[in-house]
Amino acid sequence: GEDVEQSLFLSVREGDSSVINCTYTDSSSTYLYWYKQEPGAGLQLLTYIFSNMDMKQDQRLTVLLNKKDKHLSLRIADTQTGDSAIYFCAVGRTGGFKTIFGAGTRLFVKA
Amino acid sequence: DVKVTQSSRYLVKRTGEKVFLECVQDMDHENMFWYRQDPGLGLRLIYFSYDVKMKEKGDIPEGYSVSREKKERFSLILESASTNQTSMYLCASKTRQGSSGNTIYFGEGSWLTVV
Repeated sequence: GEDVEQSLFLSVREGDSSVINCTYTDSSSTYLYWYKQEPGAGLQLLTYIFSNMDMKQDQRLTVLLNKKDKHLSLRIADTQTGDSAIYFCAVGRTGGFKTIFGAGTRLFVKA
Repeated sequence: DVKVTQSSRYLVKRTGEKVFLECVQDMDHENMFWYRQDPGLGLRLIYFSYDVKMKEKGDIPEGYSVSREKKERFSLILESASTNQTSMYLCASKTRQGSSGNTIYFGEGSWLTVV
């Protein structure tokens, strides 16, 4: 079945850039998402990209999509302590019911 | 803004009790979902519903049932709670179509402990 994989942990220093990577198996995915989960809370949508795009930038966030390799990344520039959270990669299809989530990458930001 | 509200944030129940987790969304979304989240396992889909009174099993439906009597409300039921159902439960909703990018919106989560 469809699968989304991402590493479980990432640690960076405050002010550095963070890059969180994700690979997926469903080549029919049309929407690719990044969600953020802060401690004790639900998931908040950070950004999403359509499969016909290579890149999307939104303030400190840059999403890169390599459709050939089925690889998605999220870059956070100038990482702050407030960025410490779990980041979930997810994929979905147009008209599809299911959104497939990765296990989440826990980002630690050291002051 | 889309709002998905889970009525109970923290619950402690005894083994064998019947547990109801309620979820309401205010954006007239057709699709609603229940996930459970466990460390290292990410989100696993329990059940989803694409319309009133309609339901479909997700990846881990065993031990759970759901109810969707009204479009805005989706309930998760644990008929006889067991300790391995201790988890964080997340309700979510999304519209069937539109310009929102097929985005799924989440509630704040319900932490259930079964003792």
